[in-house]
Amino acid sequence: AQKITQTQPGMFVQEKEAVTLDCTYDTSDQSYGLFWYKQPSSGEMIFLIYQGSYDEQNATEGRYSLNFQKARKSANLVISASQLGDSAMYFCAMRGMRGFQKLVFGTGTRLLVSP
Amino acid sequence: KAGVTQTPRYLIKTRGQQVTLSCSPISGHRSVSWYQQTPGQGLQFLFEYFSETQRNKGNFPGRFSGRQFSNSRSEMNVSTLELGDSALYLCASSFASSSGNTIYFGEGSWLTVV
Repeated sequence: AQKITQTQPGMFVQEKEAVTLDCTYDTSDQSYGLFWYKQPSSGEMIFLIYQGSYDEQNATEGRYSLNFQKARKSANLVISASQLGDSAMYFCAMRGMRGFQKLVFGTGTRLLVSP
Repeated sequence: KAGVTQTPRYLIKTRGQQVTLSCSPISGHRSVSWYQQTPGQGLQFLFEYFSETQRNKGNFPGRFSGRQFSNSRSEMNVSTLELGDSALYLCASSFASSSGNTIYFGEGSWLTVV
């Protein structure tokens, strides 16, 4: 079974500062993918970044980077230069890559960016 | 490139009724998955369709069903609605389930059962 743990129910950050959202995972699969999504109050789940278990380099997408530490089973999301529009729920998720496997989500972290 | 389109966005139903939600995936994507999101249970997997066949199913009662058409569009149906079915229903689209590294979601359908 796969499990995602997000231990920060809420995080506060000032505009233009960087913030790290924590995510740890547990799986017995050798091949898996890790995802981060942003969910504003409208409900849409917006894909941010992906990291494959065999990727040697940390993934980056614009202001988003994923700090992947395989031995520690952690996949933290780093948002640089926070913007007011970054205020939202953030979900970490994972999926095994053999066959048809579901996305398993964490409980999410609510990020609030203040001016 | 159009994103994942879900309809309707909002709907209110009465207990005992049934509801059908629709999802049009990104063009070229053949895998469609459905998730239910509630404050109490979080995000839970309902089912996944690929090439018109259900490939995986979550732990939901038989009242929840779905299908996929030849153009990859998918529908999910909930019969005999209960108050606990009130939730945000999200559809996810990817090119192929086992190798996709990008899974895109739609805006969701907000269902309220009264």
